[in-house]
Amino acid sequence: KNQVEQSPQSLIILEGKNCTLQCNYTVSPFSNLRWYKQDTGRGPVSLTIMTFSENTKSNGRYTATLDADTKQSSLHITASQLSDSASYICVVSVNTLGRLYFGRGTQLTVWP
Amino acid sequence: DAGVIQSPRHEVTEMGQEVTLRCKPISGHDYLFWYRQTMMRGLELLIYFNNNVPIDDSGMPEDRFSAKMPNASFSTLKIQPSEPRDSAVYFCASSYDRGANYGYTFGSGTRLTVV
Repeated sequence: KNQVEQSPQSLIILEGKNCTLQCNYTVSPFSNLRWYKQDTGRGPVSLTIMTFSENTKSNGRYTATLDADTKQSSLHITASQLSDSASYICVVSVNTLGRLYFGRGTQLTVWP
Repeated sequence: DAGVIQSPRHEVTEMGQEVTLRCKPISGHDYLFWYRQTMMRGLELLIYFNNNVPIDDSGMPEDRFSAKMPNASFSTLKIQPSEPRDSAVYFCASSYDRGANYGYTFGSGTRLTVV
């Protein structure tokens, strides 16, 4: 069964600290993996996309990693800011027809 | 480009009433998707269109739900009659493809509350 599991479900950190969010998937055949950021009351916005051959990709303070062998991805946030408070959703795409599978997200709260 | 535009932003209705949600996709995007988001289940695909034609509606929960896309710039999701368990945030998204290569651009959502 194609699934995307994210952990932790929620996380609270202090401003300026780093954190890492996890995504494990069983989706096959794998096409790519995206991390989306969803602010409260808004729709999700894509942060990064990673294909099978990519191990690391950065977008400012956000760095995503992918291990296609173990089917795991992580999103590392450096020097967190209050504006990083949001839900982070892992989305995996399959090759056939490009169907997307969504994780349920990690709710990150950054405190001052 | 103003992005994907959804209306209304919030809708409160009584059980049994008809609800219509509206979406204007990004010009040039051939695919339009309707999603429902709840705390319990996260984002769930309800239906998607390609070039205004419904392709996969297997996610539509019941016959009470229907969606149309009369032209490339407008789509509606209708619930009739509405029930309290339909309360959720409904997102419309559009893309150049099924989503694998270009990703989705989401609207800001419609928060539906059925009392």
